[in-house]
Amino acid sequence: EPEVTQTPSHQVTQMGQEVILRCVPISNHLYFYWYRQILGQKVEFLVSFYNNEISEKSEIFDDQFSVERPDGSNFTLKIRSTKLEDSAMYFCASSGGLSSNQPQHFGDGTRLSIL
Amino acid sequence: AQTVTQSQPEMSVQEAETVTLSCTYDTSENNYYLFWYKQPPSRQMILVIRQEAYKQQNATENRFSVNFQKAAKSFSLKISDSQLGDTAMYFCAFTRNSGNTPLVFGKGTRLSVIA
Repeated sequence: EPEVTQTPSHQVTQMGQEVILRCVPISNHLYFYWYRQILGQKVEFLVSFYNNEISEKSEIFDDQFSVERPDGSNFTLKIRSTKLEDSAMYFCASSGGLSSNQPQHFGDGTRLSIL
Repeated sequence: AQTVTQSQPEMSVQEAETVTLSCTYDTSENNYYLFWYKQPPSRQMILVIRQEAYKQQNATENRFSVNFQKAAKSFSLKISDSQLGDTAMYFCAFTRNSGNTPLVFGKGTRLSVIA
């Protein structure tokens, strides 16, 4: 069964540094998402992406965050200047088609640790 | 704004027994989708079951079934014949029916299946 893949599985970065989290969505999916989960808390929506532009974003997704689909397969989340509070599990998800009958499929996540 | 509430932070069940996890939500939308996701210790988010709000029939997937009460805005998950592999964090999630829209998650219920 097709899967969403995320790399790296664990990223350790110094505060203030830039980090790029990578995702390869399921190949025929059209919609892409980033969520984050701070340790012990619920999963929170960051941003959705469709047709090479942001569809929706949450209040969390401020100017330090950006997303990009640099080629036909990768979907990246960049955090420009990391803060301690950015430490979290970051999940990429994708869904297909134009109907919300299509469930979102999640990757295994990237654990981001900011020192 | 939509909210999802899971009032049971932790639950346990004996192997082979049945357990029900509670979820309530608040929305002004008339049509929407509800989901249960499972997050085992491996941290992957796995779709367990989904329910379309316009369907009165409760969704069933093998040992997993839901009790969807639209008027009460309740969406509980029943796990029958619990197995050790069911041990995980279970998240209830909501999405509105206007395309592939963000998931709103509850805080989760940690389920432990005891041998």
